[in-house]
Amino acid sequence: DIQMTQSPSSLSASVGDRVTITCRASQSISSYLNWYQQKPGKAPKLLIYAASSLQSGVPSRFSGSGSGTDFTLTISSLQPEDFATYYCQQSYSTPRITFGPGTKVDIK
Amino acid sequence: EVQLVESGGGLVQPGGSLRLSCAASGFTVSSNYMSWVRQAPGKGLEWVSVIYSGGSTYYADSVKGRFTISRDNSKNTLYLQMNSLRAEDTAVYYCARDKGKWELNYYYYYMDVWGKGTTVTVSS
Repeated sequence: DIQMTQSPSSLSASVGDRVTITCRASQSISSYLNWYQQKPGKAPKLLIYAASSLQSGVPSRFSGSGSGTDFTLTISSLQPEDFATYYCQQSYSTPRITFGPGTKVDIK
Repeated sequence: EVQLVESGGGLVQPGGSLRLSCAASGFTVSSNYMSWVRQAPGKGLEWVSVIYSGGSTYYADSVKGRFTISRDNSKNTLYLQMNSLRAEDTAVYYCARDKGKWELNYYYYYMDVWGKGTTVTVSS
């Protein structure tokens, strides 16, 4: 199975900060990488698919980049509603997809 | 409106069985890949199973031989039959639609619609 890691596991940031989360795959996955946001007690929400494509309705302050094994999710200016846990997920080995362990973004 | 609503969760003893349902509206279950994903308390997301539009099914090693994914086209509903349940199966179970899309000559899959989840607790 393809293993996914994320760093950091958690971070504290302020409203307006630029936030970057990194995801790494145990082998090359091309651009088969998705990002999800999850708030406490809620279902995950798709933010980015195919490494850098913004899902419809997602604010443009979210962006994704990378290919191969290293990927980044960037929030250009953190908003109060962005405090959540973020997961990357590889779809290269569909149907056996795997998620990263998550990065929790909380208020500084 | 495109929506998924799970039901069927509850408290069950180790070794017991439970069937989860996921009712879809706004789209056709049988025309899509549909997945179950679970989240143990305080933990991350774990893919459990998927059923393809053609009917092929796949399972995580942790549930293979114990869980069965299926669908009822007439009810537009996805199911997860869970047998021989263990304490480690305790989790919130989400159903999700796997959408596929062409981007720059490659076909990508991602989970674009999720239900709110149903909680399964396996305990004596």
